[in-house]
Amino acid sequence: DAGVIQSPRHEVTEMGQEVTLRCKPISGHNSLFWYRQTMMRGLELLIYFNNNVPIDDSGMPEDRFSAKMPNASFSTLKIQPSEPRDSAVYFCASSLQHSSYEQYFGPGTRLTVT
Amino acid sequence: DQQVKQNSPSLSVQEGRISILNCDYTNSMFDYFLWYKKYPAEGPTFLISISSIKDKNEDGRFTVFLNKSAKHLSLHIVPSQPGDSAVYFCAGFLTGGGNKLTFGTGTQLKVEL
Repeated sequence: DAGVIQSPRHEVTEMGQEVTLRCKPISGHNSLFWYRQTMMRGLELLIYFNNNVPIDDSGMPEDRFSAKMPNASFSTLKIQPSEPRDSAVYFCASSLQHSSYEQYFGPGTRLTVT
Repeated sequence: DQQVKQNSPSLSVQEGRISILNCDYTNSMFDYFLWYKKYPAEGPTFLISISSIKDKNEDGRFTVFLNKSAKHLSLHIVPSQPGDSAVYFCAGFLTGGGNKLTFGTGTQLKVEL
């Protein structure tokens, strides 16, 4: 059974460009989470969805960040325009909705903004 | 506001010895605490949990201890093995809080031969 799939695995872009990260959650999971990992702040929750509906986006750092989940099997995280301080590893995770603390993470996208 | 704190960014232990990873929290409303393990170039994976009403949970070589009065938990690995070398994240979970996990900054464990 496939786990959480993220693409691309690596992204290098120039400052000011638009970046789109993609995630396919585990089939049957109805909660989806986007995290950012940095040395200083560890794993930060950016936004999460339950049943495709955004529940809490308080972790989204700025208006430059946006996330969508058009259906149960796909989500995107977009940064426009990107800045060097956005360089980090971005993880997508999914879980069953009902009070499950066990989240399944994808392999992450390493983003470098030059 | 960092609700979950891991004050040791790294820890080095000899193979066969005990590894102790520490975590402090400020939110007394958490009702579960978790440890996740992360290898390079992979996503974190769930390792072990403990309910806030317990003070100990054991799973093979891994034991988590919870001291609610001190708002402190620790993960003990014994005996430590080279394959345990990874980053360990502590997290708090609030039932009814929408499945949100609040993670610490992680501790890099290196188990040396």
